[in-house]
Amino acid sequence: GENVEQHPSTLSVQEGDSAVIKCTYSDSASNYFPWYKQELGKGPQLIIDIRSNVGEKKDQRIAVTLNKTAKHFSLHITETQPEDSAVYFCAASIGNQFYFGTGTSLTVIP
Amino acid sequence: ETGVTQTPRHLVMGMTNKKSLKCEQHLGHNAMYWYKQSAKKPLELMFVYNFKEQTENNSVPSRFSPECPNSSHLFLHLHTLQPEDSALYLCASSQDSNQPQHFGDGTRLSIL
Repeated sequence: GENVEQHPSTLSVQEGDSAVIKCTYSDSASNYFPWYKQELGKGPQLIIDIRSNVGEKKDQRIAVTLNKTAKHFSLHITETQPEDSAVYFCAASIGNQFYFGTGTSLTVIP
Repeated sequence: ETGVTQTPRHLVMGMTNKKSLKCEQHLGHNAMYWYKQSAKKPLELMFVYNFKEQTENNSVPSRFSPECPNSSHLFLHLHTLQPEDSALYLCASSQDSNQPQHFGDGTRLSIL
């Protein structure tokens, strides 16, 4: 089955700096890659996603890149703000099967 | 009205109790999912329903029994659980397979 690895597990950045979270996957059949943000006491919320026919996607301060050959994808958050502090999860999907990374706890220091 | 609603938010039960978790989605989606979220572990997909039919059962013990009476409602019936079953149980829905999933806020389950 698919194996998704996510790094780093914790990340602290100064407000205004950029944050990058990286994930790798093992199954080349995976074709959909969402990113989720989970705040304390809440369920994961989709923040951006990318499909295997696209290399990069951007939505305001958030961007995702995908390298199918190397089987890795990354989340980039620019101009970080304290409200970006949360746990971020990547996932790789094949049909109805979603495989999640172990999460990155991001802290933005004011 | 939130997209995916889960009740109860918190549940404490003994190992011999029977209880049920409820999930309701107001998004008109066709697929619904149950996940288990434990500390330091990836989200574990438990069950998938497409158009009320169960399409995936990822080797989940029989003490967890799902029910999907219609495409808007999903239940997880619990019976004779073990302490290691304590976790956050998340429900999600999506329009179809390989589509963005929308999660509820989960039920925090504690087994005594």
